Amino acid sequence: AQSVAQPEDQVNVAEGNPLTVKCTYSVSGNPYLFWYVQYPNRGLQFLLKYITGDNLVKGSYGFEAEFNKSQTSFHLKKPSALVSDSALYFCAVRGTTDSWGKLQFGAGTQVVVTP
Amino acid sequence: GAVVSQHPSWVICKSGTSVKIECRSLDFQATTMFWYRQFPKQSLMLMATSNEGSKATYEQGVEKDKFLINHASLTLSTLTVTSAHPEDSSFYICSASVGDNQPQHFGDGTRLSIL
Repeated sequence: AQSVAQPEDQVNVAEGNPLTVKCTYSVSGNPYLFWYVQYPNRGLQFLLKYITGDNLVKGSYGFEAEFNKSQTSFHLKKPSALVSDSALYFCAVRGTTDSWGKLQFGAGTQVVVTP
Repeated sequence: GAVVSQHPSWVICKSGTSVKIECRSLDFQATTMFWYRQFPKQSLMLMATSNEGSKATYEQGVEKDKFLINHASLTLSTLTVTSAHPEDSSFYICSASVGDNQPQHFGDGTRLSIL
């Protein structure tokens, strides 16, 4: 069975400071890993994915994530946060043995960036 | 690219009414679409996986007779909440994927309120 853990319900950061949102996972087979962002009353927007290759993945809006196989982690990072980055962030995982591309989502982390 | 349109965005109706929600992939063909339900400040709960031309696969605990899913074409899936009651009030989100290891692309969701 696959699972995703986002240990922080909320992350607070001042604008201009680095932002990190944590994610750890458990899957059968090799993982496909994704980060999404959700603004109020909206669907999810895709930020980035790790399928294979370089452990450091760069995505939309200046976000990046590092895949760490030994620690089964895929933390989302941004060097300098903006107030507009305030939103709900979801980590999602799919194992290569899972059919139809079904994703398991983490509980979500609310990011609050203060001016 | 990879735009998913969901309609309507907001529905308010009386108890006992059936409500249909449409999910369209606008610029790609989606053999598989997914329907999720999201409660306030919670993660996405997968309701069912919809495959074009075949019956949907429902997750455990989701009533297939209550939540009717039809995936009649490669660009359209519909979710009908039959005889809706206040406990069915929620945020419903659809997604579609262009391929096996590709990200799911999400609609903007439908806020359903049953009075």
